Amino acid sequence: LAKTTQPISMDSYEGQEVNITCSHNNIATNDYITWYQQFPSQGPRFIIQGYKTKVTNEVASLFIPADRKSSTLSLPRVSLSDTAVYYCLVGDRGHILTGGGNKLTFGTGTQLKVEL
Amino acid sequence: DAGVIQSPRHEVTEMGQEVTLRCKPISGHNSLFWYRQTMMRGLELLIYFNNNVPIDDSGMPEDRFSAKMPNASFSTLKIQPSEPRDSAVYFCASSLSVAGELFFGEGSRLTVL
Repeated sequence: LAKTTQPISMDSYEGQEVNITCSHNNIATNDYITWYQQFPSQGPRFIIQGYKTKVTNEVASLFIPADRKSSTLSLPRVSLSDTAVYYCLVGDRGHILTGGGNKLTFGTGTQLKVEL
Repeated sequence: DAGVIQSPRHEVTEMGQEVTLRCKPISGHNSLFWYRQTMMRGLELLIYFNNNVPIDDSGMPEDRFSAKMPNASFSTLKIQPSEPRDSAVYFCASSLSVAGELFFGEGSRLTVL
C-alpha cells in the first residue's frame, strides 16, 4: 500500500494560491493520485485525479513530477468556502479486483483554513 | 440527480444493541464502499463490493461487523453487538468502477452509549 504523507494543517488568506503537497515515495507503476475535499458533516468530494505531469480542471490543478514520488494540489485564489480537509489518495486502478493492488485508503488529510 | 443516500443520519443506541446502517448507491454504479471516520483513526475503508460481490473486507474491524449487498441498489452495514468504541461516522460511497471517482453519502453518525 502506497503510504501518503501530507501536512496536518495549512493556513491561508482569501485570494491567495494554496499548494498542498503529498509525499508518496512507494507509489507503484499502476497507481493514480487522487485528491478529495471534505467539509464538516459531509462526505468527501472528488477534486482531481492524475497519473503524471499536470492536470487541470475548473477547481484545481495537480502537479506530478517525473518520479511521481510526490504531488501538489494547487487551489487558485482560495476563498473562505475552501476551508476544508484535503485528502491525497494513491490507488492502483488496474488490479483492485484481484486483491493484489492498493485499496483506496484515505490518510489523515490536510486541514486548510482560509481567513479574510 | 439523487446522490448516495444513507440512513439513518443519526443513531444513538446502547451498548449491546444491534445497529443496521443502510445505503442506496447511485443508480448505475457498480462499486460500493463502506468507510468509517473517527477523530483518532481518520477515514478507514471497511469493505467494498463490485457488482454486489464483496471484494475485500479486510478493513472490517471484527466479527461484530458484517455487510451485505443483496442487489445493486441497496447495501447494509450491521454491527452486532455494538460497543462504545464503534461510535463514529459511517460513510457509504459508490462509483462506476472500483477505480472510479467515489461519490459519498452524507454519512450516518453512530453513538453507542
